[in-house]
Amino acid sequence: EPEVTQTPSHQVTQMGQEVILRCVPISNHLYFYWYRQILGQKVEFLVSFYNNEISEKSEIFDDQFSVERPDGSNFTLKIRSTKLEDSAMYFCASSDWGSPLHFGNGTRLTVT
Amino acid sequence: GNSVTQMEGPVTLSEEAFLTINCTYTATGYPSLFWYVQYPGEGLQLLLKATKADDKGSNKGFEATYRKETTSFHLEKGSVQVSDSAVYFCALSDPNTGNQFYFGTGTSLTVIP
Repeated sequence: EPEVTQTPSHQVTQMGQEVILRCVPISNHLYFYWYRQILGQKVEFLVSFYNNEISEKSEIFDDQFSVERPDGSNFTLKIRSTKLEDSAMYFCASSDWGSPLHFGNGTRLTVT
Repeated sequence: GNSVTQMEGPVTLSEEAFLTINCTYTATGYPSLFWYVQYPGEGLQLLLKATKADDKGSNKGFEATYRKETTSFHLEKGSVQVSDSAVYFCALSDPNTGNQFYFGTGTSLTVIP
């Protein structure tokens, strides 16, 4: 069964540094998402992406965040200047219209 | 607007006990409803879904029925196992909001032998 893959599985970075989290969605899906989950807390929506543009974003997704689909397969989340409170699991997901979200296994981001 | 309210945890049950995790929703349109499960250290996996009123989703012994009259989608299992220990998330998607998904806060289940 096709799956969403995320790399790296764990990223450690220093406060103020830029990080790029990478995702390869399922190939025929059209909708792409990033969610995050701070340890032990709920899954929070960050952004959704369709037709090469952001379709919706949450309050969390401020100017420090950006997303890109640089080619036909990758979907990236960039955090320009990381803060301690950005430490979390970041999940990428993709779906087709009306179908369930398929999640990757996540990237654990640790900001020190 | 759209939202999902889930029963707060954590829930601790003995093996073979009956499980119910409550979920109610608010939606502007006619949403599809889902239960996702997150095992320790893993991502979210789709457990079951229902796309219209009175549909029953089922998988791995879990069931949930889409009840429009009570706006609910409660998760049930007749006999839980230790391997069911996980966090369970109720979610809805509303086609009127561009395929957006809304998640509940999650309910942690621990099953003890």
